[in-house]
Amino acid sequence: GNSVTQMEGPVTLSEEAFLTINCTYTATGYPSLFWYVQYPGEGLQLLLKATKADDKGSNKGFEATYRKETTSFHLEKGSVQVSDSAVYFCALRVNSGGYQKVTFGTGTKLQVIP
Amino acid sequence: DAGITQSPRHKVTETGTPVTLRCHQTENHRYMYWYRQDPGHGLRLIHYSYGVKDTDKGEVSDGYSVSRSKTEDFLLTLESATSSQTSVYFCAISEIAGGPSEQFFGPGTRLTVL
Repeated sequence: GNSVTQMEGPVTLSEEAFLTINCTYTATGYPSLFWYVQYPGEGLQLLLKATKADDKGSNKGFEATYRKETTSFHLEKGSVQVSDSAVYFCALRVNSGGYQKVTFGTGTKLQVIP
Repeated sequence: DAGITQSPRHKVTETGTPVTLRCHQTENHRYMYWYRQDPGHGLRLIHYSYGVKDTDKGEVSDGYSVSRSKTEDFLLTLESATSSQTSVYFCAISEIAGGPSEQFFGPGTRLTVL
């Protein structure tokens, strides 16, 4: 079956530090890959996506590259801010009959301290 | 922000009691989804709807039922709540089938079953 593995958190960084959150996946077919962010007390929001190999998704200073050879989609940001503190979810989507099945990772909590 | 509300936002109930959670949207989106979020599991799909009175099961549907009598409302019912159903429940909507990139999430309902 399909699965998404994320690094366990929490991840604690100082403001302006470099961020990497690892995500690897297993899937049948050719999945699309996503990162979602969840701020405290809120639902998930799409952060970025990539739909084919070597695509780079980017948004709000975050980037992730779809690496088919390593089945990875690591999230990076060059300089984190306190406002980036949230839980980050990696996810994949594949076609499954008439429904596009989505599989989420377990989430990685990021805490950025001033 | 997409117009999605969930009610109640918090609920504490006892084992064996029925519980109904409501998701209401003002976007006129065709697809609606119920997920549960648990530590170590990420988000898991309970049920989804692809139109009025059209629903189907997700990966963790046991113990849950849904109904959609109007485009804007999607109800999740726990016929007889159990402690294993203590969780945070998220509703999501999308215009097209599946995929987190097209989904917008509600703020969540925290349910505690004692």
